[in-house]
Amino acid sequence: DGGITQSPKYLFRKEGQNVTLSCEQNLNHDAMYWYRQDPGQGLRLIYYSQIVNDFQKGDIAEGYSVSREKKESFPLTVTSAQKNPTAFYLCASSYRDRTNTEAFFGQGTRLTVV
Amino acid sequence: GIQVEQSPPDLILQEGANSTLRCNFSDSVNNLQWFHQNPWGQLINLFYIPSGTKQNGRLSATTVATERYSLLYISSSQTTDSGVYFCAVEQEGYNTDKLIFGTGTRLQVFP
Repeated sequence: DGGITQSPKYLFRKEGQNVTLSCEQNLNHDAMYWYRQDPGQGLRLIYYSQIVNDFQKGDIAEGYSVSREKKESFPLTVTSAQKNPTAFYLCASSYRDRTNTEAFFGQGTRLTVV
Repeated sequence: GIQVEQSPPDLILQEGANSTLRCNFSDSVNNLQWFHQNPWGQLINLFYIPSGTKQNGRLSATTVATERYSLLYISSSQTTDSGVYFCAVEQEGYNTDKLIFGTGTRLQVFP
């Protein structure tokens, strides 16, 4: 099945620990994104990558890091520097074809820091 | 940056009613998408519609790019239509493929 897989679905961590969220896609998309969603709010862009080995900060990158070593994979690390990491994290991917840049999302990871 | 506003913020309907959701954006766009976020948080693609009109079953959407708005129509609503509807746009000319989301419309459909 083609799609975007995020794992795990639920993640609990102690305060002060780094945690890495996985995002894998087999759609052959060039671009990948990480968004954060807080309860009752919209989605805010954390990081995005348009091509392998390159990524850009979004609107709320502080306290997060990413890598893009493979086209299929775009893991997000939530570091201890992130002040309020408890949130719902969504990964997306899209083509960079000018005629169609439709984005598709994974099922999300709910991170709870205690 | 581009601003994306959705209205109304909340909508309560009885099953069978029709509704119109609106998305206004402040600048020209390359891409506009409508999503439905279900109660489990999953974002489901409804329409990729930077311009024109599309229909899919009970749902249809129209984007008037020159006037910077898009409308999502839901006809004969069902309880399974409940959730949050987001529009998201990619600002023209930036070549970043970044999608900027509106704040959403929360729809509740009661039997």
